[in-house]
Amino acid sequence: EVQLVESGGGLVQPGGSLRLSCAPSGFVFSSYWMTWVRQAPGKGLEWVANINLDGSETYYVGSVEGRFTISRDNAKNSLYLQMNSLRAEDTAVYYCARDRLYNWNYASGFDYWGQGTLVTVSS
Amino acid sequence: DIQMTQSPSSLSASVGDRVTITCQASQDIHNYLNWYQQKPGKAPKLLIYDASNLETGVPSRFSGSGSATHFTFTISSLQPEDIATYYCQQYDNLPAFGQGTKLEIK
Repeated sequence: EVQLVESGGGLVQPGGSLRLSCAPSGFVFSSYWMTWVRQAPGKGLEWVANINLDGSETYYVGSVEGRFTISRDNAKNSLYLQMNSLRAEDTAVYYCARDRLYNWNYASGFDYWGQGTLVTVSS
Repeated sequence: DIQMTQSPSSLSASVGDRVTITCQASQDIHNYLNWYQQKPGKAPKLLIYDASNLETGVPSRFSGSGSATHFTFTISSLQPEDIATYYCQQYDNLPAFGQGTKLEIK
C-alpha cells in the first residue's frame, strides 16, 4: 500500500526556518517525481515545488523561489522541503504528493498524497 | 506562467443532477490537465488525468473532456458523497491549479 507521511510542521516566527519531511512507503521512491503542494486556511491548492527522480532537477513557484529548497534522499527514502525566511503568507497545510507516472522524465499529476502537515508563521 | 480559470467558484445542485465545471487555460496546454476532488479536512484525490482518462477505482459518473484551452468536468448524476471542492490542474508547464469549485447539495 502506498503511503506518504509528512512531518516537521509547527509554529514558527516570521523570518524563521522549518524543514518538512515526507516518508514514502509501498513503492519504489526513486522512480517517481515528487511534489509539495500547500493549502492556506480556507483557500485553494497551490503547487509549491517538485523534484525529478534523482534530484538533479528542481522547480518552484515564484513566491518561494530562493527561500524554499526541495530535496530528496533516495537511499533514505525521504523527501524534504527546507523553508527559510518564512512569511505569514506561507501559513498552510503542506502536502507531499507522488507523481502519477513511473520512471518518467517530466511531472504530470499527483496520484498519492500524504495527510498534510500544518505550518503556521506568526509572532 | 499559465493561468487556469475555473468556473463556477461554487455550485449548488440536487441529487441526480448533471453537474458541469469548466477550466480555461491562458494558453494551449494540449490535454495536460487533471481533475481532483477534495473533501473537507482530507487530501485531494485524483479523479481524471490527461483531460479525459478516469483514474482507477473512480466511479464512471465522473468524466472529463476538452483540449487546448477549454476543459470540462462532468458528474452525470450527482450523489450525496460527491459534495466536495473540485480542482483542475495543468502540467504543460510548471504545475498550476485552478481556483476550485465548491459543490453543495441543494
